[in-house]
Amino acid sequence: DADVTQTPRNRITKTGKRIMLECSQTKGHDRMYWYRQDPGLGLQLIYYSFDVKDINKGEISDGYSVSRQAQAKFSLSLESAIPNQTALYFCATSRASGSNTGELFFGEGSRLTVL
Amino acid sequence: KNQVEQSPQSLIILEGKNCTLQCNYTVSPFSNLRWYKQDTGRGPVSLTIMTFSENTKSNGRYTATLDADTKQSSLHITASQLSDSASYICVVSAGDSNYQLIWGAGTKLIIKP
Repeated sequence: DADVTQTPRNRITKTGKRIMLECSQTKGHDRMYWYRQDPGLGLQLIYYSFDVKDINKGEISDGYSVSRQAQAKFSLSLESAIPNQTALYFCATSRASGSNTGELFFGEGSRLTVL
Repeated sequence: KNQVEQSPQSLIILEGKNCTLQCNYTVSPFSNLRWYKQDTGRGPVSLTIMTFSENTKSNGRYTATLDADTKQSSLHITASQLSDSASYICVVSAGDSNYQLIWGAGTKLIIKP
């Protein structure tokens, strides 16, 4: 089984719908992240969490929200999806590494299409 | 502005040949530089992480170099295999407190038999 599991792997939805992407991990890492990947661009950080009570905005948090339900679970929500949120979304984890981001371990990705 | 630029954008080589991918960055302050391999439709997988003091780091047939003075890094792949077909992404960690990673757009490598 994968150490970082994302569900769903693929989702097609319509503009205005609420969407939740879920991530669970068995690596025992404290830190979890949500990234977005668009063709031809580098990954962009949406939100990150260093423990259950810690949530931080990344570079592109507008239009997204997150919930850290447990150490092993971190979900990403799109309250009202719009077409330019069509992208590949990745969840990642890392060990605590002081003031820096440690080695990242990624899930398999969730491909979201908003019509 | 912090930036990471990779070249070439794409590359096609024959199986068994060597290749070198380039990464130039303008990130300050610098903390470390990473190379990731991303198979199509999969999540990135870490190949190497290099700090300021490391010039070369190897992981099997992959060898990364870092020149912190010129702010350049390269990833050399030796004796390429079909399974090396993937995107290779250079990532630089800014040495400040906001845990920022600056991602390059990647080089798409295709290995042909």
